[in-house]
Amino acid sequence: EEQLVESGGGLVQPGGSLRLSCAASGFTISNSAMSWVRQAPGKGLEWVSGIRNNDDTTYYTDSVKGRFTISRDNSKNTLYLQMNSLRGDDTGVYYCAKGVRGWNMDVWGKGTTVTVSS
Amino acid sequence: DIQMTQSPSSVSASVGDRVTITCQASQGISRWLAWYQQKPGKAPKLLIYAASSLQSGVPSRFSGSVSGTDFTLTITSLQPEDFATYYCQQANSFPLTFGGGTKVEIK
Repeated sequence: EEQLVESGGGLVQPGGSLRLSCAASGFTISNSAMSWVRQAPGKGLEWVSGIRNNDDTTYYTDSVKGRFTISRDNSKNTLYLQMNSLRGDDTGVYYCAKGVRGWNMDVWGKGTTVTVSS
Repeated sequence: DIQMTQSPSSVSASVGDRVTITCQASQGISRWLAWYQQKPGKAPKLLIYAASSLQSGVPSRFSGSVSGTDFTLTITSLQPEDFATYYCQQANSFPLTFGGGTKVEIK
């Protein structure tokens, strides 16, 4: 069974940093496009970042460019999201997701909660 | 960025009803559209990809269609487990974008 488990969320002050991890099992992340998607409390889904499977090209939504970095460690079968200069509007549940047939997301983790507050 | 305008934002329906949700893309995305279902406190679930292809394991009462830049998710004969929030997502270009969501509530 294909599974994703996120970790690394928590409470952080504005301007701080966090690194989220997403451990995969049942499939190899290097063979799939992978994304991070977030959801602010009571709001809709927002795609944050993605990494392509064949050449590791990375993509970001404008609001996180220059602050967030997506990466993966194929030896650990784990996806990461390094988040720097965090702001209040970065608060939410962060999901990692596996892409299928391009950038449709067929496997999701349960999410990890990030709260940016002083 | 491609804007995805989803409507309605909420709909009240009864078990057995037919429900239609629409999503309009701000520019052409071919058939690069997916639909997701999300229940409170849970991760989204992929229902439909490539506008009309049913994801494995998803009941056949869910279907998708497209006309130009207008996409439709139809649920025929709504079941109790279908009460949830539904999102469209364009997979054509970056940044990937979601619609605002449609909450399907019990009438």
